Amino acid sequence: QQQVKQSPQSLIVQKGGISIINCAYENTAFDYFPWYQQFPGKGPALLIAIRPDVSEKKEGRFTISFNKSAKQFSLHIMDSQPGDSATYFCAASSYNQGGKLIFGQGTELSVKP
Amino acid sequence: NAGVTQTPKFRILKIGQSMTLQCAQDMNHNYMYWYRQDPGMGLKLIYYSVGAGITDKGEVPNGYNVSRSTTEDFPLRLELAAPSQTSVYFCASSRTTGTAGANVLTFGAGSRLTVL
Repeated sequence: QQQVKQSPQSLIVQKGGISIINCAYENTAFDYFPWYQQFPGKGPALLIAIRPDVSEKKEGRFTISFNKSAKQFSLHIMDSQPGDSATYFCAASSYNQGGKLIFGQGTELSVKP
Repeated sequence: NAGVTQTPKFRILKIGQSMTLQCAQDMNHNYMYWYRQDPGMGLKLIYYSVGAGITDKGEVPNGYNVSRSTTEDFPLRLELAAPSQTSVYFCASSRTTGTAGANVLTFGAGSRLTVL
């Protein structure tokens, strides 16, 4: 049972375009939703995170949109750059489950110059 | 500052062999984790530890064992390697923040294991 479902599996975007990656979750106890970025040969690193008490969080070109009623959240990368080419993972955790992160399947983003 | 260090980076095993993946962190983090990453499957939690002497199973623990004798080290043991254990393994650590559910994980660079 996949608790966090991520789509698309791969994404190709032109430089300057908007990249959008979507995630859906099932467990309503989840209360923390981070996105991790992974470059080839490296471990994932935290990019941005949101809690369900807000509908949007923006950090530079990266924005998380959160829809609690639909149990969905998405990552938007504005003005995508070739340096953004990486694999992106959404994740979720809940305090009553010890804060263990459950990850989505990952999205491989390629930004073409 | 080293962060999370994993060794070895690459290893090829024969079916039935045993090995230990090493993980060490120098950030005095309480929590440590082992994940495996397979194409199209994301990161699956194998085992985790909330402190020295305390470990618990994650989503996919079968075929693996862990121990946590010190705060710094969290080795992952494969007793009888099987082709299904071919994967990239990531160790991670985090500090308890006191804020509900806000574990920020620091990952190692990964260990690529092939079982033939």
